[in-house]
Amino acid sequence: DAMVIQNPRYQVTQFGKPVTLSCSQTLNHNVMYWYQQKSSQAPKLLFHYYDKDFNNEADTPDNFQSRRPNTSFCFLDIRSPGLGDAAMYLCATSSATFSSYEQYFGPGTRLTVT
Amino acid sequence: DAKTTQPTSMDCAEGRAANLPCNHSTISGNEYVYWYRQIHSQGPQYIIHGLKNNETNEMASLIITEDRKSSTLILPHATLRDTAVYYCIVRIYGQNFVFGPGTRLSVLP
Repeated sequence: DAMVIQNPRYQVTQFGKPVTLSCSQTLNHNVMYWYQQKSSQAPKLLFHYYDKDFNNEADTPDNFQSRRPNTSFCFLDIRSPGLGDAAMYLCATSSATFSSYEQYFGPGTRLTVT
Repeated sequence: DAKTTQPTSMDCAEGRAANLPCNHSTISGNEYVYWYRQIHSQGPQYIIHGLKNNETNEMASLIITEDRKSSTLILPHATLRDTAVYYCIVRIYGQNFVFGPGTRLSVLP
């Protein structure tokens, strides 16, 4: 089945140690999104790619970066994780920038910072 | 900021209809109403969306008031697997999906 895959499902990193989360999709969608969801809060958009064009939300910290080497893959890099970055990170895709009524979400990666 | 207000939580008996309200009193004419849900430890899942008319699909029905200032998501026969956080989102073409706190629905046996 076509889907959005996130690996790993659980990631533990140390304070200040760079970490990379990955997302892949078999839907061939041209838009990929990264959301951060802290405990008991709603998902919050960090940035998205429309094809290779990167769009950063104004309040996304510089500590968060993203790469999209091809249509299928997108990575979230946290350069120096702090305790406040512990959260669920959700990847989503859609077929066109915001015009699609549906975003397809992956299962998320839960990041723990020790 | 989210443009909707929803109850923090609701309970529903299994097999009964779950009616989840959403207020969007500042909605503009070209904003759609979307509903997503998030089951524990999973990513959000699209349910339904609408502009003016009531909508129905295999998952739910969406009732939008004539003045469009509020809407209700109806799960006609709730099951235990419908226990989730339900997000009501208003969105115009080209904008982000902005998730508010949502309603935590508990379906009780």
